[in-house]
Amino acid sequence: QVQLQESGPGLVKASQTLSLTCTVSGDSISGSDYYWAWIRQHAERGLEYLGYVYYSGSTYYTPSLRSRLSISVDTSKNQFSLKLSSVTAADTAVYFCARGGRTTVSFDPWGQGTLVTVSS
Amino acid sequence: QSALTQPASVSGSPGQSVTISCTGTSSNIGTYSYVSWYQQHPGKAPKLVIFQVTHRPSGVSNRFSGSNSGNTASLTISGLQAEDEADYFCCSYSGSSTYVVFGGGTHLTVL
Repeated sequence: QVQLQESGPGLVKASQTLSLTCTVSGDSISGSDYYWAWIRQHAERGLEYLGYVYYSGSTYYTPSLRSRLSISVDTSKNQFSLKLSSVTAADTAVYFCARGGRTTVSFDPWGQGTLVTVSS
Repeated sequence: QSALTQPASVSGSPGQSVTISCTGTSSNIGTYSYVSWYQQHPGKAPKLVIFQVTHRPSGVSNRFSGSNSGNTASLTISGLQAEDEADYFCCSYSGSSTYVVFGGGTHLTVL
């Protein structure tokens, strides 16, 4: 059974960098059928796709965050990570990591999510 | 403002069927057969219930079905059960520059 688990600080100061790691168990992050994605959810609002990383290190970032976002992969630890720089209150959200299917363009499974609050 | 439009809420009685719509454009739903639907209970992670418009993942009840027509995709839940009460989100591939877009979510109430 594939499981994903997010970890990282729950509180980040404005203008600093938000860093999260997703640890994958039950599947190799080096498989070619999947990519590894970050999605966030603001309170009482919908889901926002942030980007993904492939095991090779190739990435995609949503255009609105491209200048602040970095996603990387560590195949030796079966982990992938997100860094979002220059955060503001608008970046306060629950951050989910998820496995994306290359041929299905869908996300399954998801991590449980972690709330990150940006404080002033 | 989400790229895909869903009704804020729908409701139905146990045993009934409900359909949740998801309206996009020719840049996403109208062109690509990569619509997926997710169920999210309060405080939980979203769970995939439909992918590629009509396909159900292993383990998902056959009470869940998907379809599309033009720029609109739909999720139908038949034989409503109390456990189906949740938020439902649609998602569509939207080309290589945007990749995917989500709907704003629909809250399903089982009366």
